[in-house]
Amino acid sequence: IAGITQAPTSQILAAGRRMTLRCTQDMRHNAMYWYRQDLGLGLRLIHYSNTAGTTGKGEVPDGYSVSRANTDDFPLTLASAVPSQTSVYFCASSDSSSTETDTQYFGPGTRLTVL
Amino acid sequence: GQNIDQPTEMTATEGAIVQINCTYQTSGFNGLFWYQQHAGEAPTFLSYNVLDGLEEKGRFSSFLSRSKGYSYLLLKELQMKDSASYLCAPMDSNYQLIWGAGTKLIIKP
Repeated sequence: IAGITQAPTSQILAAGRRMTLRCTQDMRHNAMYWYRQDLGLGLRLIHYSNTAGTTGKGEVPDGYSVSRANTDDFPLTLASAVPSQTSVYFCASSDSSSTETDTQYFGPGTRLTVL
Repeated sequence: GQNIDQPTEMTATEGAIVQINCTYQTSGFNGLFWYQQHAGEAPTFLSYNVLDGLEEKGRFSSFLSRSKGYSYLLLKELQMKDSASYLCAPMDSNYQLIWGAGTKLIIKP
C-alpha cells in the first residue's frame, strides 16, 4: 500500500441498508477525515479523527458514524442509507490536525448511489 | 458565517496565463490551501500560503492578502493537462479546512 486507499471504488445500495466505507493509510498520519463531495458544492466534512481513539463531528455528521481503533484505519458507516447520501466520499489524512502546515492527502474516493 | 467565493468556470488557451481568484470569510485564519482536482479523481495539493505575498512553484504561483480575505492561483504556460477544477480552502481557527465549490478550468488548443 502506498498512501491512502479506499474501498469499494463504487457501490449501489438500496435505501435502508447498512454500508461501511473503508479507508486505510500507511503514512502513519495522526489525523484522518471523511468528506462528501456533491456537484456544485465544496467538500463537506462528515467526521474527523485527530488521533487514534478519538473522533469528532464535522459539518454534516447526521446519518454517519466512524471509529478509529488504530492509526491506519478509519471506516465510515451509514447505518440506514437514504437517497440523499448519494455522493462521492473522500477519505483524507494529515500528519497532524493542529498546525497550519499539515497538508491533507486524499484517497481515490468511493462513489455511492443510494436507490 | 464562513464563506468561500470563486468563479464556477473559466476558459483559457493553451500556452496562456490564467488567474483564478478566491475570496473568503472564515472564523479565524490559519493559512490557505489550493488543490487541483481532475474529473473523477481525488483532490491533490498544489500550494499553501500563510503570509501575505506570492509563493511560486514552477508554473503555478499562489498569492495571499489576509487583510482583504483574498487569494489567487496563477497558472502560466497552460497545458491541456491543466484542465481540472481548482479548489480554494482556507483553514479556520479550529484548523479545519473550509472548501470552496471549485473553479472548473477549461483549456482550449
